[in-house]
Amino acid sequence: GQQVMQIPQYQHVQEGEDFTTYCNSSTTLSNIQWYKQRPGGHPVFLIQLVKSGEVKKQKRLTFQFGEAKKNSSLHITATQTTDVGTYFCAPPQKLVFGQGTRLTINP
Amino acid sequence: DGGITQSPKYLFRKEGQNVTLSCEQNLNHDAMYWYRQDPGQGLRLIYYSQIVNDFQKGDIAEGYSVSREKKESFPLTVTSAQKNPTAFYLCASSLTETSTDTQYFGPGTRLTVL
Repeated sequence: GQQVMQIPQYQHVQEGEDFTTYCNSSTTLSNIQWYKQRPGGHPVFLIQLVKSGEVKKQKRLTFQFGEAKKNSSLHITATQTTDVGTYFCAPPQKLVFGQGTRLTINP
Repeated sequence: DGGITQSPKYLFRKEGQNVTLSCEQNLNHDAMYWYRQDPGQGLRLIYYSQIVNDFQKGDIAEGYSVSREKKESFPLTVTSAQKNPTAFYLCASSLTETSTDTQYFGPGTRLTVL
């Protein structure tokens, strides 16, 4: 099935700094979904991107789908402690989620 | 109160014993999934079911078994054949198996084999 690679695997930032995680696929994706998992919790759906070049915003979070629909990114502006967690991208077939990017924040 | 539940939250078993993890949903979803998560790792699919009485193996099905006798329930049995069963197990469901459907996850079961 389709697999995606996420980078970086870990990211530690100072509160207030920006954060970006990237999701890359070797094949074209029909859509991509992003999930967030808080420490000790379960993944929760954030957003879905379907169109080439699509950009969606949720408050301080900006999600982007590449023009070729092979990559996606999640950018958080001015991180807050509530942003701590692991962010996963999920390819259409859900066979294997991206490894995730674990975000930790220094308050 | 709609949702997906897993029980128990923590489970301890001795090596060589089979153990069954429960997953129930009242969302009227057709598709259900079982994932395994190891510390600091992503989610790996064990089994999934698109409809009652049907299920398919995921990438790491060896040592596991499932059943889907009811739409609401998708229990996972971790057998003694699973070489390294200690992990966090997540159950999820979606309206259908269509790729654009959102997955809803249960709270998970942390299995420790002693």
